[in-house]
Amino acid sequence: RKEVEQDPGPFNVPEGATVAFNCTYSNSASQSFFWYRQDCRKEPKLLMSVYSSGNEDGRFTAQLNRASQYISLLIRDSKLSDSATYLCVVSKGGSQGNLIFGKGTKLSVKP
Amino acid sequence: DTEVTQTPKHLVMGMTNKKSLKCEQHMGHRAMYWYKQKAKKPPELMFVYSYEKLSINESVPSRFSPECPNSSLLNLHLHALQPEDSALYLCASSSLAGDSYEQYFGPGTRLTVT
Repeated sequence: RKEVEQDPGPFNVPEGATVAFNCTYSNSASQSFFWYRQDCRKEPKLLMSVYSSGNEDGRFTAQLNRASQYISLLIRDSKLSDSATYLCVVSKGGSQGNLIFGKGTKLSVKP
Repeated sequence: DTEVTQTPKHLVMGMTNKKSLKCEQHMGHRAMYWYKQKAKKPPELMFVYSYEKLSINESVPSRFSPECPNSSLLNLHLHALQPEDSALYLCASSSLAGDSYEQYFGPGTRLTVT
């Protein structure tokens, strides 16, 4: 099992759609979980940290299920500007600064 | 609007050259990171500095030499690189307080080795 696995994508959705990304991780000792977005030829930008209680930031909702080692990101009412690659990121075991990035899922939002 | 800056933005160097990449952050973070990202791949961790001390070296070849002169600055010295080292080199920083070490990335240096 890969350390961090994501939906392969790409996801092509119309504006206003709801889109869900899923991610699984292999190391049960991982402590920190994040979603980043990366635009073409740009640096990754932190979208949100993910907590067991779930967290929401506007149109974005992230969930963590430690028992299933599963992380999700839901984007509601998608905008053209949401088009990017979404990276699921997990800390390597107990080393919180050592992050493992998933391969990313590309999202294209069309008019 | 990143608070992590990197210079240069682009660098072309020959295999016999010596060059340095520079990174600076003004967020008061005490951890800094170097990543390498190849096209269509995720970033891969190279080095971690915590409190200006090297804490993680992910088995990076010695032709890459990191340096952390102070808590705001991070350098990556390059010598005798190979064409396969061409990539986007990303610097990041994070706080070491709290439970979640959120990392903030600079814009990167796009390196081409000829």
